[in-house]
Amino acid sequence: NAGVTQTPKFQVLKTGQSMTLQCAQDMNHNSMYWYRQDPGMGLRLIYYSASEGTTDKGEVPNGYNVSRLNKREFSLRLESAAPSQTSVYFCASSEGSGTGRVGTFGSGTRLTVV
Amino acid sequence: KNQVEQSPQSLIILEGKNCTLQCNYTVSPFSNLRWYKQDTGRGPVSLTIMTFSENTKSNGRYTATLDADTKQSSLHITASQLSDSASYICVVSARSGNTPLVFGKGTRLSVIA
Repeated sequence: NAGVTQTPKFQVLKTGQSMTLQCAQDMNHNSMYWYRQDPGMGLRLIYYSASEGTTDKGEVPNGYNVSRLNKREFSLRLESAAPSQTSVYFCASSEGSGTGRVGTFGSGTRLTVV
Repeated sequence: KNQVEQSPQSLIILEGKNCTLQCNYTVSPFSNLRWYKQDTGRGPVSLTIMTFSENTKSNGRYTATLDADTKQSSLHITASQLSDSASYICVVSARSGNTPLVFGKGTRLSVIA
């Protein structure tokens, strides 16, 4: 019963460094999502993948890229990290397609860019 | 503009007491409304989901209500426990499947002994 698994749980980067956040789900869900959560703000959608092989931008995609590696895995890449990308990142998945159907969230990755 | 406003921002109550959290939204056309519980350092976990035609939905000691006419929802917690300490997030979905979910900023609830 793993659900949605994110790695790493914590990461500190220097400005300009790159890294990839990993996400995997074992519920056979079609859609996967990446959100960021900042203090005093609601979760904001970065990118989503309605099905294997497709990805689309969300509300705040700048500075990020994604890869839907297969049905289970959806990764988020920061090519050149900036302090404004300091945040908690959540991966999520849902059975149906579309951004209005999020069901299960991972436990988050806390990223600090210095 | 689609928005979800929650009140209060934070709340402290004694263990065993009841409390009610509020959510007002302007998302249109409305599809459904969810309440999530987010423990510190964890991802949000769904408590309830209500569609346009549902007025109330319960999940144990959690009862959510929805008034689609006034675009208001509430989450009532009965006989609070220390483990209820968390952020409670109201999330509204528009009828268009590809419209992003609109998240409220959450209410931070602290239950003290």
